[in-house]
Amino acid sequence: AQSVTQPDIHITVSEGASLELRCNYSYGATPYLFWYVQSPGQGLQLLLKYFSGDTLVQGIKGFEAEFKRSQSSFNLRKPSVHWSDAAEYFCAVAKRTGGGNKLTFGTGTQLKVEL
Amino acid sequence: EAGVAQSPRYKIIEKRQSVAFWCNPISGHATLYWYQQILGQGPKLLIQFQNNGVVDDSQLPKDRFSAERLKGVDSTLKIQPAKLEDSAVYLCASSTTTGTYNEQFFGPGTRLTVL
Repeated sequence: AQSVTQPDIHITVSEGASLELRCNYSYGATPYLFWYVQSPGQGLQLLLKYFSGDTLVQGIKGFEAEFKRSQSSFNLRKPSVHWSDAAEYFCAVAKRTGGGNKLTFGTGTQLKVEL
Repeated sequence: EAGVAQSPRYKIIEKRQSVAFWCNPISGHATLYWYQQILGQGPKLLIQFQNNGVVDDSQLPKDRFSAERLKGVDSTLKIQPAKLEDSAVYLCASSTTTGTYNEQFFGPGTRLTVL
């Protein structure tokens, strides 16, 4: 069965500093991997996704993630964090199902940005 | 384009009462998902519909939870009777069924508190 581990429950960074959020996955085949962001009281918004090809993927809001098969990782990065990036971030792996995808999420990383 | 709509946004009930949540997906999206997000955890898929048929309900507690998707559009999720551990945010998402990956678009969720 697929699973996702996000080892960091909380992370605090200063505004302008770089950010890396860790994600490790377990999946038997080539994974579909995703990062979502959730602001308080909001639904989940897709930041970026990886299916195949280039292992470095670019997303919205200046985020990027790198797929490393040898490490079963898909870490999220941003070179310079803005105060508005404070939110909860979820990594997810998808399994194709009839007409859609079954997403399995990690437990999330809460990001706090210090001004 | 209108997003996924959910109502109510908040609900407080006592244990053993019943409750229902409503979801209106993005127009034209054939696939609809219900997730349960307990505080401190990532969303967990409860049920997936394609049109008005169930694709996956393996994680739906069928002794108390039920869901239906009338005419393949709107959906309702019901809990009867509710337990304390049902306190969570219930997220609805929808997607198309064509293409390599069918991005799931999430609604704002319904926050349920069971006292």
